[in-house]
Amino acid sequence: AQSVSQHNHHVILSEAASLELGCNYSYGGTVNLFWYVQYPGQHLQLLLKYFSGDPLVKGIKGFEAEFIKSKFSFNLRKPSVQWSDTAEYFCAVSSNKLIFGAGTRLAVHP
Amino acid sequence: DAGVIQSPRHEVTEMGQEVTLRCKPISGHNSLFWYRQTMMRGLELLIYFNNNVPIDDSGMPEDRFSAKMPNASFSTLKIQPSEPRDSAVYFCASSLGNNQPQHFGDGTRLSIL
Repeated sequence: AQSVSQHNHHVILSEAASLELGCNYSYGGTVNLFWYVQYPGQHLQLLLKYFSGDPLVKGIKGFEAEFIKSKFSFNLRKPSVQWSDTAEYFCAVSSNKLIFGAGTRLAVHP
Repeated sequence: DAGVIQSPRHEVTEMGQEVTLRCKPISGHNSLFWYRQTMMRGLELLIYFNNNVPIDDSGMPEDRFSAKMPNASFSTLKIQPSEPRDSAVYFCASSLGNNQPQHFGDGTRLSIL
């Protein structure tokens, strides 16, 4: 069965720190990969997606993610976070349907 | 652009009452999803439709929950009778296919007293 694992449930950073959120999935076939962000009190929004091609994907707001097929991973990164990045981040994987990870709550302190 | 539209935005009702949540997907999207989000359980997929047909309802918690999609532009999620543990934010999402990026509505914040 397809599953998605996000290792960090809560992350606290200071502004300008670098961010990396882990995401691993279990599925042997071809998958599409996504990161969504949910700002406080809002709905989920797509940050970036990977379908094929360059495994390093650039998203909105300076985020990027790297697909490493051998590690079944799709980690999210940002070199320098801002207070406005405080949100919950969801990794999602789809083969025949979309499965979300449990989410990582990021708090950025000024 | 009109995104996914959900109504109502907020609902507060007493336990035992019937609750109906509504969703209008983005025009042209053929997949529609209902999710429930709580602090304890996170984001849970309840049910999804392809071309108005329910494909996977394994996430529907129990028989009190039902969902319909009578046409391509409208879906409902009904809870009858409602219970306090149903309190959550319910999101509807739509996409061009069931493994394509999903566009989420603003959600319905449901409180059952």
